[in-house]
Amino acid sequence: GAGVSQSPSNKVTEKGKDVELRCDPISGHTALYWYRQSLGQGLEFLIYFQGNSAPDKSGLPSDRFSAERTGGSVSTLTIQRTQQEDSAVYLCASSLARGGYNEQFFGPGTRLTVL
Amino acid sequence: AQKVTQAQTEISVVEKEDVTLDCVYETRDTTYYLFWYKQPPSGELVFLIRRNSFDEQNEISGRYSWNFQKSTSSFNFTITASQVVDSAVYFCALSESGNTPLVFGKGTRLSVIA
Repeated sequence: GAGVSQSPSNKVTEKGKDVELRCDPISGHTALYWYRQSLGQGLEFLIYFQGNSAPDKSGLPSDRFSAERTGGSVSTLTIQRTQQEDSAVYLCASSLARGGYNEQFFGPGTRLTVL
Repeated sequence: AQKVTQAQTEISVVEKEDVTLDCVYETRDTTYYLFWYKQPPSGELVFLIRRNSFDEQNEISGRYSWNFQKSTSSFNFTITASQVVDSAVYFCALSESGNTPLVFGKGTRLSVIA
């Protein structure tokens, strides 16, 4: 497929468990972003990867959240010891990030429910 | 700090009416980019438009038009002759430079009734 893909589409977990969310960006896109969409907070930036540079982690809400991007492509967002307030839709986006501005293309999201 | 305000939480219109979605932004940067995204019931965010701070020319694309006014820090979005398929949540967003993360408004839920 040509778009950003995310898996799983839905994840239900119990409080205290760890979860991993995956994002496959559009081929050739060097920038990758994670956002979170929750009812009370709207759309919030979490973390940003640009090429081989150190990621911008300024949006991560706590040290239970981490992300990595392997080989400059696929990214995994990990949430440890999940809490109920982590329930949200996690969105991934990618962009070409060359020259002037390049729009961000969003994936369908992963809906996380923490019981 | 950057901030985007969409004061209209929900709007409901009858099909064929025109509707304007408001967006007001705050930034200290002299160069920045503004965006509108559409989120239909399916959930996926769809890019609609990008505007940089040096280009205040308004834009029209079919039934969609955008009014960018730096003097009032606003970037409003008008849908002419609305259709049921326009029903969605619309987000206004701001970015300080080419590829930095987006700062989103809370969104406006538009319902177009047949």
